[in-house]
Amino acid sequence: QVQLVQSGVEVKKPGASVKVSCKASGYTFTNYYMHWVRQAPGQGLEWMGIIKPRDGSTTYAQEFQGRVTMTRDTSRSTVYLELSSLRSEDTAVYYCARDLFLEGRRYFDYWGQGTLVTVSS
Amino acid sequence: DIQMTQSPSSLSASVGDRVTITCQASQDISSYLNWYQQKPGKAPKLLIYDASNLEAGVSSRFSGTGSGTDFTFTISSLQPEDFATYYCQHYDNLLFTFGPGTKVDIK
Repeated sequence: QVQLVQSGVEVKKPGASVKVSCKASGYTFTNYYMHWVRQAPGQGLEWMGIIKPRDGSTTYAQEFQGRVTMTRDTSRSTVYLELSSLRSEDTAVYYCARDLFLEGRRYFDYWGQGTLVTVSS
Repeated sequence: DIQMTQSPSSLSASVGDRVTITCQASQDISSYLNWYQQKPGKAPKLLIYDASNLEAGVSSRFSGTGSGTDFTFTISSLQPEDFATYYCQHYDNLLFTFGPGTKVDIK
């Protein structure tokens, strides 16, 4: 069965960077795009960007350009999200989500369990 | 960039009520619009894709209509397990956008 398992809770100071991992299993890793979505406490969902595991190409939401890097390791079936220059407003749960992209359908069919990142001095 | 709005931002309803949520895009997005349900502490769950298609295994009391800029999501008869937050999501090739969400709680 498809599973996306994310790394654990992170606590960072303002100005630091954080790297969150998402390990995929139960399907061919390179056949599906992966997204990162975050949700600040009590707030809505915010799409951060997409990575194509086959070639590693990425597209980021404009709000995160220059601060976000998405990478993948095909040997580990894992994608990574790195966010730099952290500020308190980056405190959120970060989710990875698989993009179905099948027969014209585009939606997130599987999600990781979420990783809480807290930014605090 | 395409902006998505939802209304209302929250609503209170009773079990058995018909609930309608609207999602509006700032420009024509055809039918590239999905609806998700999210319960507290959980990841979102897809309910409707491409504006009006019910995801497999999802109750038929959920439905969606619309195309272009205006979309509607309906719960025909609200059940206790439906109290949650609902999000629309637009996609355009490699760019995705969520609406701000609509919280449905118990009256």
